[in-house]
Amino acid sequence: GQQLNQSPQSMFIQEGEDVSMNCTSSSIFNTWLWYKQEPGEGPVLLIALYKAGELTSNGRLTAQFGITRKDSFLNISASIPSDVGIYFCAGLYNTDKLIFGTGTRLQVFP
Amino acid sequence: AAGVIQSPRHLIKEKRETATLKCYPIPRHDTVYWYQQGPGQDPQFLISFYEKMQSDKGSIPDRFSAQQFSDYHSELNMSSLELGDSALYFCASSLGPHAPSYNEQFFGPGTRLTVL
Repeated sequence: GQQLNQSPQSMFIQEGEDVSMNCTSSSIFNTWLWYKQEPGEGPVLLIALYKAGELTSNGRLTAQFGITRKDSFLNISASIPSDVGIYFCAGLYNTDKLIFGTGTRLQVFP
Repeated sequence: AAGVIQSPRHLIKEKRETATLKCYPIPRHDTVYWYQQGPGQDPQFLISFYEKMQSDKGSIPDRFSAQQFSDYHSELNMSSLELGDSALYFCASSLGPHAPSYNEQFFGPGTRLTVL
């Protein structure tokens, strides 16, 4: 099915470092969502974005809805070991169907 | 805070058997969604319901059906199971289309279905 291009595919970083990941699409979306998923668990909603250009923070997480409505970015500052997991972007455009990105696997080393 | 409840958490079935997965949405959420996630894949949308009516439909096989009940819980019925149906099945819930945060889908812990 349709997918969003998410990069990087994986990241291995030191505790305390900042992390950036992004999602791009050939189609526009009117909502962007960012989720974190741990093995065998359901995706946990981190941030929701509704307007082009919107910048929203949730603790150490900051996400932006791209001006073109075709991309979104997630930054994690001062990473900690519990940030480990797979981060998915997801987009919506006038349907219930979330289109997920391919995921970014984050590994944090102490 | 209360989350989406799914049961069972694990299910093992033989080929050609049937399975029923249950989902209990977050209180006050009247919209439910079903997703399928294969190993190493991202979740794929199957179907959604709002106020007991089918709202949207994705890549759901004809062998699968779902419904939402008056208490807003939902069930996904899967018949003639195939090996390829082995996956994690997630239910998500949200407030209805009248709510500003309608698009925020909250996922349950999932049901891991294994077909032997």
